[in-house]
Order: sequence, then structure tokens, then C-alpha cells
Amino acid sequence: GENVEQHPSTLSVQEGDSAVIKCTYSDSASNYFPWYKQELGKRPQLIIDIRSNVGEKKDQRIAVTLNKTAKHFSLHITETQPEDSAVYFCAARPDFGNEKLTFGTGTRLTIIP
Amino acid sequence: NAGVTQTPKFRVLKTGQSMTLLCAQDMNHEYMYWYRQDPGMGLRLIHYSVGEGTTAKGEVPDGYNVSRLKKQNFLLGLESAAPSQTSVYFCASSLTRRIYEQYFGPGTRLTVT
Repeated sequence: GENVEQHPSTLSVQEGDSAVIKCTYSDSASNYFPWYKQELGKRPQLIIDIRSNVGEKKDQRIAVTLNKTAKHFSLHITETQPEDSAVYFCAARPDFGNEKLTFGTGTRLTIIP
Repeated sequence: NAGVTQTPKFRVLKTGQSMTLLCAQDMNHEYMYWYRQDPGMGLRLIHYSVGEGTTAKGEVPDGYNVSRLKKQNFLLGLESAAPSQTSVYFCASSLTRRIYEQYFGPGTRLTVT
């Protein structure tokens, strides 16, 4: 089955700086890669996703890049703000024959004012 | 729309007791999922369902049973609770096989003593 590794497990950045979280996956059949944000005590919520037919996707201050050859994808947050403090999870799933997401273990991002 | 709801929000069980967690969604989603979230381990899939009357095992199914008698409801049962089942349980749903975004419920914090 799919295995998703996520690094780092914790990350602290100064407000206004950029943050990057990286994930690698094992199943070459995976072609959907979402990122979820979970604030303390809240439910995970989708913030951005990418499919394998594109290499990069942006939404305001967040972007995701995908390298299918190397089987890794990354979340980039620019101009970080205090409200970006949360736990971020990456995930992967194949497009066919498998309805399951496999999640990474999460990155706790802390924005230092 | 209420989205995805879970009951109860909190529960304390003694070892050997049984209970059922209820997940309900009002978005007419086909797919429903039960995850458990433990510190440092991300979200792990327990069981899932691709439609009314169907269920399948996920990554960590032992000690749990599920039922999906109605499309909008997905029940997670613990027949004989163990301390290792202390966790936060999240239900999620997604619309179809081709629309992947998973919407999460607010979670149930379960403690087994």
C-alpha cells in the first residue's frame, strides 16, 4: 500500500517569512495530493490540492509543487501570518480502484510574531 | 447544511465497555470514512464505505466494526473497548469517486480507562 512521509514534524518561522513542508510517497500510481490544515482542537480542512497532470498550483499565499519522477510534493506558505499556525497534513491517493487517502504524520507550524 | 456531524463529542469508557459513534452527513455524499488521530501518527483510516450497505477495512480496523444502513449515516462500534483505543475519532465524507475532497466532522474524543 501507499506510504507517505512528511518532514519536518515541527517548524517555527518568523512572521512574514516563508515556510516549506515536504512529503514523499511510495506508490507511483498516486496522482491526487491534498493538503489539510488543522487548527488546535478543530477538524482538518482542505487548503489546497494538486493532481499529477500539473507541476504547481497556487492560491494566494499558498502553493503546492509536485515532482512525480522523484515522488515528492511540497507545500509553500509565503508571507506567513499568526493565523497560519496549525498542524498541516499531506496526503496521497491513486486515481483508480482506490478510494482511500493515505496521510502523512503532520507538521506543527508555529509562526513567531 | 450542517455538513458532517458526529455524536458524541466526548466520551469516557471503562475497559471492556462498548459504544457506538455516529457520523451523519447531509451533503448526499457517497463515500464515508472513519479515522483515528493519535499524537505524532497523523490520521489513520479505520474503515470506510463507498455507498449505502457497503463497508471496507482500512489501515487499522482491528477492534472496530462499522455499518452504513443509510446513505447519510456511518456508525463506528467498539465492542470491547481497550485503553489502546483512546484517541480522537474523525468521520469524513466525499461526494463521489471522481470528486475527492474529504469533509471532516468535528471529532469525538474518546478515553478508555
